[in-house]
Parts: sequence; structure tokens; C-alpha cells
Amino acid sequence: ETGVTQTPRHLVMGMTNKKSLKCEQHLGHNAMYWYKQSAKKPLELMFVYNFKEQTENNSVPSRFSPECPNSSHLFLHLHTLQPEDSALYLCASSQVGGSIHEQYFGPGTRLTVT
Amino acid sequence: DQQVKQNSPSLSVQEGRISILNCDYTNSMFDYFLWYKKYPAEGPTFLISISSIKDKNEDGRFTVFLNKSAKHLSLHIVPSQPGDSAVYFCAASAGGTGTASKLTFGTGTRLQVTL
Repeated sequence: ETGVTQTPRHLVMGMTNKKSLKCEQHLGHNAMYWYKQSAKKPLELMFVYNFKEQTENNSVPSRFSPECPNSSHLFLHLHTLQPEDSALYLCASSQVGGSIHEQYFGPGTRLTVT
Repeated sequence: DQQVKQNSPSLSVQEGRISILNCDYTNSMFDYFLWYKKYPAEGPTFLISISSIKDKNEDGRFTVFLNKSAKHLSLHIVPSQPGDSAVYFCAASAGGTGTASKLTFGTGTRLQVTL
């Protein structure tokens, strides 16, 4: 595997379900991110992990719970979601330090909440 | 309040001609700007970036221009090719070279390159 991978690619869940999204980066980076992309809206940063420590929670509801067990893996645990949470969830990684700001994205998980 | 704006949701250009995609920002703390390209069913792919200490950066067919006084940047693609058809996102970052970068994105411009 190369780059940033995400599983599953598509997920349909009911409002009472619990599910998890998984992200893995194979780039040797030390920062990872979760973004949400809703229709007609810009990508919204949800969470930032820097060296496995959460450094940003962009006012995300508690029904979204991130987990970063190491610098290569990132999870987003979902429970009691609402239909308006249906969106494309993107994971990204980057290397902290120097003048590098580029983030590298996975293909995303298309989530539908019914 | 959207800090990064792409006011043209779509753009159609003939193959071989120049494509110009525009982006405006409001936050004067932004000091690094990036362009991403996104195909359907794929994540955004990094294309080109520019630091606020420069006003131009070129990489092959892609050139980004930055006008700090106008808080405006543009991406020029020349010559445009059918494979360039995608959604292009402008993003900006404020400082944080020693910490994880936080990118603020625009809503994107869909470019269609016609034969």
C-alpha cells in the first residue's frame, strides 16, 4: 500500500449504529487529520493529531470520537449520528517541521446516515 | 465567515488554451497557499503551493500567482489538457511550521477542458 488509505470507502448506517472509519498513512508522516466534506461546502477540518496527540478539535460534536494509536493510524468512531452527518470523510497526513505545509489525502469514506 | 473564497463554481476551457482559476482570502495571517485537484471518487491531490514571501511559483504547466495586497491568488494551467478536468481547491495556512498545519479550504472550482 502506498500513500494514505481509508476503509471502508462507502458506509451506510442507521442513527443508532456504532461504526468506525479507519485511516492508514504509509508516508512516514507524523501528523494526521480528519476532514468532513458536505455538498456545496468547503472541506471542514475536524481533528488534528500531531505526534499522536490531539492538538485540534474544531468544535466537533461528541458523537464523533477520534483515536490515534500511533503516527500511522487514525480512526474516527461514530455513534448516534444524525442524517446531516452524511458526507465524505477525508483523512490526511503531513510531515511537521520545516516549511512544509502540504497534506496528503486518502480517497475518503462516503458516509450515509439513514 | 468563509476565509477562503472561490467565486467561480465552474469553468470551461478549450484544450490547448489557458485555464485561470481564482481564489480570494480575507485572513491576513495566511502565509502559505496551496492548490489541490480532485477527481470524482478520489481524495484531493496536492498540485502546487506558494509561500507569502514569493509572488510566483511555477511547476511545468502549472503556475500560481500571489497578490498579497489584493489577497488574491490564481492558478494558471497552460496548455490545458482534457485530463485536467477536475475540481480545483484553493487552501491557505497560517504559520505553524513547527506544528501540524491547519488548512482552510475554498469551495472549489470545477474545470472542464473540452476538445
